[in-house]
Amino acid sequence: GEQVEQRPPHLSVREGDSAIIICTYTDSATAYFSWYKQEAGAGLQLLMSVLSNVDRKEEQGLTVLLNKKDKRLSLNLTAAHPGDSAVYFCAVSVSNTNKVVFGTGTRLQVLP
Amino acid sequence: EAGVTQSPRYAVLQEGQAVSFWCDPISGHDTLYWYQQPRDQGPQLLVYFRDEAVIDNSQLPSDRFSAVRPKGTNSTLKIQSAKQGDTATYLCASSPSSERLFFGHGTKLSVL
Repeated sequence: GEQVEQRPPHLSVREGDSAIIICTYTDSATAYFSWYKQEAGAGLQLLMSVLSNVDRKEEQGLTVLLNKKDKRLSLNLTAAHPGDSAVYFCAVSVSNTNKVVFGTGTRLQVLP
Repeated sequence: EAGVTQSPRYAVLQEGQAVSFWCDPISGHDTLYWYQQPRDQGPQLLVYFRDEAVIDNSQLPSDRFSAVRPKGTNSTLKIQSAKQGDTATYLCASSPSSERLFFGHGTKLSVL
């Protein structure tokens, strides 16, 4: 089945710096790629999703890049601020199903 | 629009006890997911439904876990004879498609 690896597990940056999180996956037929944010004591919230035919998507300070050749998905938070501190998860949707597999998570800390 | 509702928020059990988790999805979402999230790990899919039908329960420990969604709306996840290794947060999510999942706050289970 689909395997998703995510790195780094922990990331600390200064306010205003960029933070980059990377996921790799195994199923080349994956249909959707998503990033979720989980704040303390809360459920996961969708940040952004891209279809497999999209290489790059930017939205409100977030950039998602998809490299299908290398089976790599990245999330770049430009100009991070303390409110971005949370755990971030990538998720991939297995083709021809509604099955969604999550990465292992990255705990991001943005220091003032 | 009401979100995904889960209850209870917390449960504390002794090993060997049973517990049920309840999920009320967003109205009109035909797909419902149960995930297990151990501390500091990513969500791991247990089972998902489309309407009342189980689509994939291959990761559900069938000897002690069961899940139902009898009318294609609310769902119950039950653990018979809980073990310490079941300690985790149990997340319910609903979706009109696999592109976006809407999560509840989760039920945090501690098995002593």
